Amino acid sequence: AQKVTQTQTSISVMEKTTVTMDCVYETQDSSYFLFWYKQTASGEIVFLIRQDSYKKENATVGHYSLNFQKPKSSIGLIITATQIEDSAVYFCAMREDQGGRALIFGTGTTVSVSP
Amino acid sequence: EAAVTQSPRNKVTVTGGNVTLSCRQTNSHNYMYWYRQDTGHGLRLIHYSYGAGNLQIGDVPDGYKATRTTQEDFFLLLELASPSQTSLYFCASSGTGGSGNTLYFGEGSRLIVV
Repeated sequence: AQKVTQTQTSISVMEKTTVTMDCVYETQDSSYFLFWYKQTASGEIVFLIRQDSYKKENATVGHYSLNFQKPKSSIGLIITATQIEDSAVYFCAMREDQGGRALIFGTGTTVSVSP
Repeated sequence: EAAVTQSPRNKVTVTGGNVTLSCRQTNSHNYMYWYRQDTGHGLRLIHYSYGAGNLQIGDVPDGYKATRTTQEDFFLLLELASPSQTSLYFCASSGTGGSGNTLYFGEGSRLIVV
């Protein structure tokens, strides 16, 4: 069975610095997809970035990037030059290639960015 | 931009009551999902569907029924609501193909069972 674990409950950083969040996953499938979603204070949940398991290059979108370490079953999210608006809850998620299209989510990491 | 609309946004019901949460998506997505969000548990999958008339069981299905009446509409039914079902419920949809892995979420429905 697939499982996604985020051990960091909360992280506090200063504006314009870099924050890194951890996520480890478990799967029996050789092909899978990894995602990060952001939930804002208003409750809105939005897609940020994705990594396909067969791709060796780390995904990057804007000031979001991933640290994909396949041997460690790890997919970290890195946010550079953080802004106040990056304060949110960040969820890691996974979908197995053979397991339909339902995403399984981690428990989330709350990031607080201070000026 | 995918549009997913949930109703009601807020609901209070009594233990043993009957509740229906509605979800409509307007982007012709095949897949629709119901998740619940609770502190310390993140988002947990209740049921999902890949088309009208189809239903797939998620990870926490006990106490919930769901029905997909059309491609656009997905309903979550609580026939005998219990306080343990007090939660924030999210509906989501996704398509197929390369972008099909991206879920688009609704605004959430907060349910309180007293």
